[in-house]
Amino acid sequence: AQSVTQPDIHITVSEGASLELRCNYSYGATPYLFWYVQSPGQGLQLLLKYFSGDTLVQGIKGFEAEFKRSQSSFNLRKPSVHWSDAAEYFCAVGGSYIPTFGRGTSLIVHP
Amino acid sequence: EAQVTQNPRYLITVTGKKLTVTCSQNMNHEYMSWYRQDPGLGLRQIYYSMNVEVTDKGDVPEGYKVSRKEKRNFPLILESPSPNQTSLYFCASSLVGDNTGELFFGEGSRLTVL
Repeated sequence: AQSVTQPDIHITVSEGASLELRCNYSYGATPYLFWYVQSPGQGLQLLLKYFSGDTLVQGIKGFEAEFKRSQSSFNLRKPSVHWSDAAEYFCAVGGSYIPTFGRGTSLIVHP
Repeated sequence: EAQVTQNPRYLITVTGKKLTVTCSQNMNHEYMSWYRQDPGLGLRQIYYSMNVEVTDKGDVPEGYKVSRKEKRNFPLILESPSPNQTSLYFCASSLVGDNTGELFFGEGSRLTVL
């Protein structure tokens, strides 16, 4: 069965600092991997996705993620966080249209 | 504009009073799904539909019903709501044919059952 673990429930960073959100997955084959962001009061929006090819993928809003098969990880990074990045972030893994979501990581940005 | 529309966005109801949360998408997507979001539990899938008249249970289907009579609509029905169904509900859709796997989400429906 597929599963996703986001070890950090909350992450607090200062504006301008770098960010890394962790995601570990379990999947029987080559996974489809996604990161979604949920801003307060909004639905989820796709940040980026990995299917195959280059293991470093670029997304919207300056985010990137790196697929590491040996570590079963797909961590999300951003070099410099903006206050508007404060949101809930979800990692997802699975088949092309029935993904399993992690429990989410809440990002708090201090000025 | 491509979108998934849910209604109502907010609803307070009482135990046992049947309600329906509507979901409509204008992208001609085959796949539609309902999730509930609860603190500390993330997103859990309730039901999904691969196409018209094809529905299946997700991880937490108890207490819910769905129907898919038209491609664009996928209503979520709570026949006899209970307080443990107080939650934030999301509808999502996806195009199966292009195999990208991207889900498009509605803005959510916050339901409180007293």
